[in-house]
Amino acid sequence: AQSVTQPDIHITVSEGASLELRCNYSYGATPYLFWYVQSPGQGLQLLLKYFSGDTLVQGIKGFEAEFKRSQSSFNLRKPSVHWSDAAEYFCAVVETGANNLFFGTGTRLTVIP
Amino acid sequence: DTGVSQDPRHKITKRGQNVTFRCDPISEHNRLYWYRQTLGQGPEFLTYFQNEAQLEKSRLLSDRFSAERPKGSFSTLEIQRTEQGDSAMYLCASSSSTGTQYFGPGTRLTVL
Repeated sequence: AQSVTQPDIHITVSEGASLELRCNYSYGATPYLFWYVQSPGQGLQLLLKYFSGDTLVQGIKGFEAEFKRSQSSFNLRKPSVHWSDAAEYFCAVVETGANNLFFGTGTRLTVIP
Repeated sequence: DTGVSQDPRHKITKRGQNVTFRCDPISEHNRLYWYRQTLGQGPEFLTYFQNEAQLEKSRLLSDRFSAERPKGSFSTLEIQRTEQGDSAMYLCASSSSTGTQYFGPGTRLTVL
């Protein structure tokens, strides 16, 4: 079945530490890939996207993500986390030929001083 | 730069009442989407418009739900005879032909 998996429900990191949030997808062809961030009670903000080309994509707020076709993964990284990065992070895909986003269940990030 | 706006931000209603939400997309975007998000879950697709045409509806969109985009600009989502299970955040997104979707702040519905 087609799916997006975010295996980590909750991650806690210290401010200034590095961060990697995992995302795996299961689709026949490479879909379009996205990471969104959601603060409590708010809508979703686009961090970055991958359609094609360079497999390392840069986003806003110092985030980057790497597409690895062999692993069907699109992991999100940040070298140094700030307290304001505490939020819920969603990986999402648009299947080739489709219109709607299909989301993972999200990873909640807690940042401790 | 005006983003996607949604009104109201919060709605509390009693079971059995009808509710209507509004979404105003980014002005140059011809595509509009509605999603529903329940607590602890990612958003789930409900329906999609290209201009005024509703091109796709999820099986989640029961007969009690109806969405319109009469002039290809703003959209409304109506829920008739609300049930407690309808309590959720309703998110609207819009995109141009590039397909990157930008989301509004959402409408949080609580059905008592």
